[in-house]
Amino acid sequence: QKEVEQNSGPLSVPEGAIASLNCTYSDRGSQSFFWYRQYSGKSPELIMSIYSNGDKEDGRFTAQLNKASQYVSLLIRDSQPSDSATYLCAVRLNFGNEKLTFGTGTRLTIIP
Amino acid sequence: DVKVTQSSRYLVKRTGEKVFLECVQDMDHENMFWYRQDPGLGLRLIYFSYDVKMKEKGDIPEGYSVSREKKERFSLILESASTSQTSMYLCASSFPTVPAFFGQGTRLTVV
Repeated sequence: QKEVEQNSGPLSVPEGAIASLNCTYSDRGSQSFFWYRQYSGKSPELIMSIYSNGDKEDGRFTAQLNKASQYVSLLIRDSQPSDSATYLCAVRLNFGNEKLTFGTGTRLTIIP
Repeated sequence: DVKVTQSSRYLVKRTGEKVFLECVQDMDHENMFWYRQDPGLGLRLIYFSYDVKMKEKGDIPEGYSVSREKKERFSLILESASTSQTSMYLCASSFPTVPAFFGQGTRLTVV
């Protein structure tokens, strides 16, 4: 079982709709969760971090964490063509272990 | 703004060469990381360092070594480059408890 799993996609969403990206992780000791966006040919850029159960909203982005189900998701509201990218889920074990483990990413395409 | 700078954007090397990839960060971060990214395999951790002269192996350290003589600089060394090491290499840095920020990446081709 992979440590961090994501559906590779591609996920196609109409412009203006909600895009939902999902990630599961295997280590119950994981404490920190991150979403990165990566445009083709570019390096990953951090868009959201979440550390406790529940929802965290930042503009059009909402991260959701459920530690009991070992599940983290990213919702993008009012999707724009500029949101078309690969989204990477990353998990860090705990504050004493800085190793970041990434999923393989979900490729999102917003259809105008 | 955090700045993580990798010395080369594109690099072409011959099989058997010793290759140095350099990374510098300007935010006094304690942790630095080297990843490689390949299609379908995602980002895989090669090595990371949590302090000067300290290093830990990641998931795929074979064929690589690292050096961290100064806090701001973390070097990845390919002792004898092979074609299987053709990849995108990404450096990142962070404080403890803070997300990692990435450099622009180095696309290495070994011929």
